[in-house]
Amino acid sequence: SQQGEEDPQALSIQEGENATMNCSYKTSINNLQWYRQNSGRGLVHLILIRSNEREKHSGRLRVTLDTSKKSSSLLITASRAADTASYFCATVPSGTYKYIFGTGTRLKVLA
Amino acid sequence: NAGVTQTPKFRVLKTGQSMTLLCAQDMNHEYMYWYRQDPGMGLRLIHYSVGEGTTAKGEVPDGYNVSRLKKQNFLLGLESAAPSQTSVYFCASSWILAAWNEQYFGPGTRLTVT
Repeated sequence: SQQGEEDPQALSIQEGENATMNCSYKTSINNLQWYRQNSGRGLVHLILIRSNEREKHSGRLRVTLDTSKKSSSLLITASRAADTASYFCATVPSGTYKYIFGTGTRLKVLA
Repeated sequence: NAGVTQTPKFRVLKTGQSMTLLCAQDMNHEYMYWYRQDPGMGLRLIHYSVGEGTTAKGEVPDGYNVSRLKKQNFLLGLESAAPSQTSVYFCASSWILAAWNEQYFGPGTRLTVT
């Protein structure tokens, strides 16, 4: 079964707007990661947040983690057409070597 | 530095045929993974390896076998392909202590089984 579930499944916004996507998971984790996948390509790592961190920034990306609610959010500020892609969260459950990916959010940024 | 490469990029098989997908990485990573990606399902882990000569089952291992004879290579085999194995297959690798590190993905292999 999927560990991570992203919400919404699809999101369409105008260039310059902010995009927020959420991820929920089921078990305790070591860390949570966000990946981007452009159409027809492999996944690219965006940002990693550890279980003892609550917020992390990288450029236009802001990730939050709430371990009590078992949820994370990814905020992309001032979106660009090039941000159009699918975004996946991935968790590494405590005590395992396995990455568990969610079903993804398809983001479309309109120019 | 090529990163993670996958061979072939595309393949069409008939039901019952066999094939091997090759993944190679030049980053000296200990951990390697095979995933399949189907529409609406995200990525599902098939098998993984935590070092040369070791393999372990993931979430959906049935119908697949793997081998890690060399640290840089991870092979995924389909002994008797079925239409349900039509999918896009991704290989990934990471440093040791995978819990703390990102994965690097290959470009994918699109497999169709008719």
